[in-house]
Amino acid sequence: GEEVAQTPKHLVRGEGQKAKLYCAPIKGHSYVFWYQQVLKNEFKFLISFQNENVFDETGMPKERFSAKCLPNSPCSLEIQATKLEDSAVYFCASRQGGNQPQHFGDGTRLSIL
Amino acid sequence: KQEVTQIPAALSVPEGENLVLNCSFTDSAIYNLQWFRQDPGKGLTSLLLIQSSQREQTSGRLNASLDKSSGRSTLYIAASQPGDSATYLCAVGGSYGQNFVFGPGTRLSVLP
Repeated sequence: GEEVAQTPKHLVRGEGQKAKLYCAPIKGHSYVFWYQQVLKNEFKFLISFQNENVFDETGMPKERFSAKCLPNSPCSLEIQATKLEDSAVYFCASRQGGNQPQHFGDGTRLSIL
Repeated sequence: KQEVTQIPAALSVPEGENLVLNCSFTDSAIYNLQWFRQDPGKGLTSLLLIQSSQREQTSGRLNASLDKSSGRSTLYIAASQPGDSATYLCAVGGSYGQNFVFGPGTRLSVLP
């Protein structure tokens, strides 16, 4: 597709439950990024992929967060045992090459109750 | 560690004014810089991407400049319109393929 598609738009989970978010990057884009935006504050980088390989995961809270980008499937970000502070909007972005612009999806708003 | 700041944090102008948004970064060894706008409840819309070897980029009423040595970029908006009201973010890329480091944004309101 021509847009980065994120699903669902809004996800509500009780504290301790699992949450899984999906991202379909623009076709032909090699790089996928996940960012977290808490309360309209700054974007925090989580993880990036080059095709199906992890490129940079320095931003990932490794205990509960995991992500995958498998061939012919949407990329996913999974949070185990969610906490209240995980409530945020999670954005996915993709780019064709390292010197190309990043294109963002509309985000998934995760609410932990 | 790269840090990005944006001034002002918020700006309110009457329609028709020309305005400048500022972005500063601490590490001048950047690969590129991208300006975005974010509308409430939405993702980021890419405005302009400047490579480290470039001095400026233009798109319509928007002009972005880059001065790597001083760690600064500006976004110039000509003849502002109410539809320009949004939060504007600058993001700095450190190397090929690397993620961006974002500034906190400037919230712009253009009054009719």
